[in-house]
Amino acid sequence: AQTVTQSQPEMSVQEAETVTLSCTYDTSENNYYLFWYKQPPSRQMILVIRQEAYKQQNATENRFSVNFQKAAKSFSLKISDSQLGDTAMYFCAFMKEAGAQKLVFGQGTRLTINP
Amino acid sequence: EPEVTQTPSHQVTQMGQEVILRCVPISNHLYFYWYRQILGQKVEFLVSFYNNEISEKSEIFDDQFSVERPDGSNFTLKIRSTKLEDSAMYFCASSEGPRSGGTDTQYFGPGTRLTVL
Repeated sequence: AQTVTQSQPEMSVQEAETVTLSCTYDTSENNYYLFWYKQPPSRQMILVIRQEAYKQQNATENRFSVNFQKAAKSFSLKISDSQLGDTAMYFCAFMKEAGAQKLVFGQGTRLTINP
Repeated sequence: EPEVTQTPSHQVTQMGQEVILRCVPISNHLYFYWYRQILGQKVEFLVSFYNNEISEKSEIFDDQFSVERPDGSNFTLKIRSTKLEDSAMYFCASSEGPRSGGTDTQYFGPGTRLTVL
């Protein structure tokens, strides 16, 4: 079974700083997908970024980028120029390749951006 | 932009009562999911649904739970006899399904907060 581990329960940075959230996972699959979801205080789950394991290039979405290390089974999220609206719980998630596959979530990291 | 919707946003019920949580997935999506999140904990998979049948279910999804797609737009989760430990946020999600070059991303609804007294 796949497992996802987020070792940082809480993080706090100043506005405009860069912050990196860690995620490691365990799987015997070769093809899979990885995601970061954001959960603000409203508790809605919002997709931040996704990465296909077969792609060597790290995904980027505006201020959000990932560092995907397949051999190390590591998938960290970097938030550049952090904003107050980035304050949220961030969940790393794993999904086997395609077709009604469940997401397996980590425990989450609570990120606070201070003014 | 299309989105997943869920009703109600908050449901309060007495232990032993039946509840039905409703979801309207994104219209062209083929795969549907339910997850739950007990307060302060991680999000847990309950069930996936495709082509009018359950694709996979977790051990949480016991005989007290059922899912249904009663028409072309709604997707429901029924809990027959609620327990105190069923109190949680329940999320519905949907995805297009595997397609060439796609990632089969799941998009979540805003959730239904279920409180069992």
